This record gives sequence, C-alpha cells and structure tokens, in this order.
Amino acid sequence: GENVEQHPSTLSVQEGDSAVIKCTYSDSASNYFPWYKQELGKRPQLIIDIRSNVGEKKDQRIAVTLNKTAKHFSLHITETQPEDSAVYFCAATGTSYGKLTFGQGTILTVHP
Amino acid sequence: GAVVSQHPSWVICKSGTSVKIECRSLDFQATTMFWYRQFPKQSLMLMATSNEGSKATYEQGVEKDKFLINHASLTLSTLTVTSAHPEDSSFYICSARDLSTSGIINEQFFGPGTRLTVL
Repeated sequence: GENVEQHPSTLSVQEGDSAVIKCTYSDSASNYFPWYKQELGKRPQLIIDIRSNVGEKKDQRIAVTLNKTAKHFSLHITETQPEDSAVYFCAATGTSYGKLTFGQGTILTVHP
Repeated sequence: GAVVSQHPSWVICKSGTSVKIECRSLDFQATTMFWYRQFPKQSLMLMATSNEGSKATYEQGVEKDKFLINHASLTLSTLTVTSAHPEDSSFYICSARDLSTSGIINEQFFGPGTRLTVL
C-alpha cells in the first residue's frame, strides 16, 4: 500500500517568513495530493490540492509543487501569519475510490 | 455545499459498553465514506472504507467485530465501537466523497469529529 513520509515534524518561523513542508510517497500510481490544515479538536480543512498531471499550483500565499519522478511534493506558505499556526498534513491517493494515506503531520508555529 | 455532520460531537462511556457514531452527508449523496481514528498529536489513520449497500473494507489491524460499520443509505454511515475500553479513547472522524462528482473530483469532505472517552 501507499506510504507517505512528511518532514519536518515541527516548524517554527517568524511572521512574514516562508514555510516549506515536504512529503514523499511510495506508490507511483498515486495521482491526487491534498494538503490539510487542522486546528486543535477540529476537522482537517483542505487548503490546496494537486493532481498528478500538474507540476505546481498556487492559491494566494499557498503553493504546492509535485515531482512525480522523485515522488515528492511540497507545501509552500509565503508571508506567514500567526493564524497560519496549526498542524498541517499531506496525503496521497491513487485508488479509484479515493482512499487517502496521510503523512505524520507538521506542527507549524508562526511567531509574531 | 458538501457538508458532513457527525453525532455525537463527544461521548463519555464506561468500559464494556458500546457507542454508536453517526456520519451524515447533508447536501450530497455518498456511495463511499471513510472512518479515521486520530490519537492525540498523531496523524489520521484510516480504519475502514464504508460502502453503501455492502460490507465495509477494513484496514489491516482494525478489528471488524469491534468496530462495526453500517452504510445503509447514501447519506448515512454509522460506526459502532463495541465493548469499548480506555485504549479506544480517541478522536473519530468520518469523510465522504460526493457521488455526483466522484469521477472527476477527488476531494473528501470531513465531518467535525467525535471525541470518545472510555472510562
């Protein structure tokens, strides 16, 4: 089955800096890669996703890049704000019914 | 649109009792729903895939006789934790895919989660 590794486990940045979180996956058949933001006790919230036919996608301060050859994808957050502080999860799926495999999570802390 | 609800949002029960958690898609139909478990400071772990009108598919290591899943309609899946023990205390989250767009859109819509505490 799919295996997703996520790094770093914790990330601390100053407000206004950029943050980068990286994930690798094992199943070359995976074709959908979402990123979620989860606040304590809340549901995961989709912040951006990318499909395997695209190399990069951007939405305001958030971008995701995908390297299918190397089987890794990254989340980039620019101009970080304290409200960006949360746990971020990457995930991957390649099955037709959408079974997601999650990375271990990254605790992002943005200091004012 | 694409709202998923869960009930209850939290539950406290005694060891040995059974607890039922409901997951509903409020404004769309879902052939497939997923049940996840999340322990404190850990990631979401898929427990099982719930298929409307058929048996659920359980992930390796998840006891199907302990975690009973029923998906009787296109908008409702239930997870019953039987003979709950303290180690079953966790955050249980469901998700669903919209049947009408599942061939095009991969997004899963998550419920708000149910916090289970077994004393």
